[in-house]
Amino acid sequence: DQQVKQNSPSLSVQEGRISILNCDYTNSMFDYFLWYKKYPAEGPTFLISISSIKDKNEDGRFTVFLNKSAKHLSLHIVPSQPGDSAVYFCAASEDNQGGKLIFGQGTELSVKP
Amino acid sequence: DVKVTQSSRYLVKRTGEKVFLECVQDMDHENMFWYRQDPGLGLRLIYFSYDVKMKEKGDIPEGYSVSREKKERFSLILESASTNQTSMYLCASGRGRSNEQFFGPGTRLTVL
Repeated sequence: DQQVKQNSPSLSVQEGRISILNCDYTNSMFDYFLWYKKYPAEGPTFLISISSIKDKNEDGRFTVFLNKSAKHLSLHIVPSQPGDSAVYFCAASEDNQGGKLIFGQGTELSVKP
Repeated sequence: DVKVTQSSRYLVKRTGEKVFLECVQDMDHENMFWYRQDPGLGLRLIYFSYDVKMKEKGDIPEGYSVSREKKERFSLILESASTNQTSMYLCASGRGRSNEQFFGPGTRLTVL
């Protein structure tokens, strides 16, 4: 049973426009969420995170929104750049699990020049 | 600069062979993790460890074992490799109760 779901396997966006990547979860005990970015032949790298006590966290071009009632989070990238083309994974954690993360399936973002 | 290294980038093994995947981190992290990544399934946790000599099963431990004799090193063992273990294997480490994990570059294992 997939507790963290990314229902869009791929997304294509024009350079300069907004990219919106979505993630849904089913476990109401999750209280910390992270986004990772993965280039081919490299390991995932941490991008941005949000605690369940917040509904928004911003870091430069990247903003994560959390809607707890809908069990939904999204990552916004504005403006999108060709170098943002990668696979994006969302992940969730229950605070008392000592760092154990549950990952979604990933969304491959392609930013066209 | 933080670093997680994995012993091989690419590995080809035969069915039934014993396979060792090694992971070393230089950040003095307490926690270490092994995942496999498969298309359409994302990253799935195989085993993790919060301390030397300690190990915990993840979501898909069947067919795997692990060893953590030193804090910086976490090994994944396939006792008898099978074709359904062909995958990308990713090691990660993290500090204490922090949720942020740092990943190695991955080992792409092919079992023929």
